Amino acid sequence: GAVVSQHPSWVICKSGTSVKIECRSLDFQATTMFWYRQFPKQSLMLMATSNEGSKATYEQGVEKDKFLINHASLTLSTLTVTSAHPEDSSFYICSARDPLTPSFEGYTFGSGTRLTVV
Amino acid sequence: DQQVKQNSPSLSVQEGRISILNCDYTNSMFDYFLWYKKYPAEGPTFLISISSIKDKNEDGRFTVFLNKSAKHLSLHIVPSQPGDSAVYFCAASAGAAGNKLTFGGGTRVLVKP
Repeated sequence: GAVVSQHPSWVICKSGTSVKIECRSLDFQATTMFWYRQFPKQSLMLMATSNEGSKATYEQGVEKDKFLINHASLTLSTLTVTSAHPEDSSFYICSARDPLTPSFEGYTFGSGTRLTVV
Repeated sequence: DQQVKQNSPSLSVQEGRISILNCDYTNSMFDYFLWYKKYPAEGPTFLISISSIKDKNEDGRFTVFLNKSAKHLSLHIVPSQPGDSAVYFCAASAGAAGNKLTFGGGTRVLVKP
């Protein structure tokens, strides 16, 4: 089945630095990828929709200058948390849709990245 | 405004018995619903789905029921197994695949041996 690889699985960074998270579709081309954030014991909240070759679409309340998304190829989307602060500490998950699977079952999630800002 | 709600944050059930997870939604434009299973520090994995044109979908031990008039769906797991212990999220979408999914808050299921 479709596989989405997310890297790194965990990262600790100092406050004020930037962190890049990668999301790769390994065996399919994904024109659309989604980035989610999950706080402890809460739901996955969609942050943005990443479209290959165009600007990402951000959900209301998500700072696009802080969470930079780049989808330069059909197999790679990156999320960069800029000038990270402790409140950015969270679990970030990406999802990619296999366009050859016509239904929502084609959505595959990465294994997530635990970001801790100290 | 939480459009998809799972009002039970946790559920404990004995092995072999039925687990019933509930999900309510408010957006009448939602026409496709999914259930995901998630282990800690992992991404969700797809479990079962249902289109709004159906009221039931079954896959092995998992059955999803949809009551459109009540804007309510439920997931039945029978018989429950210890490996089913995880967090279960319901999700909904409006329109064709390619649209975003809106998730509920999740229900943590513990199946006791």
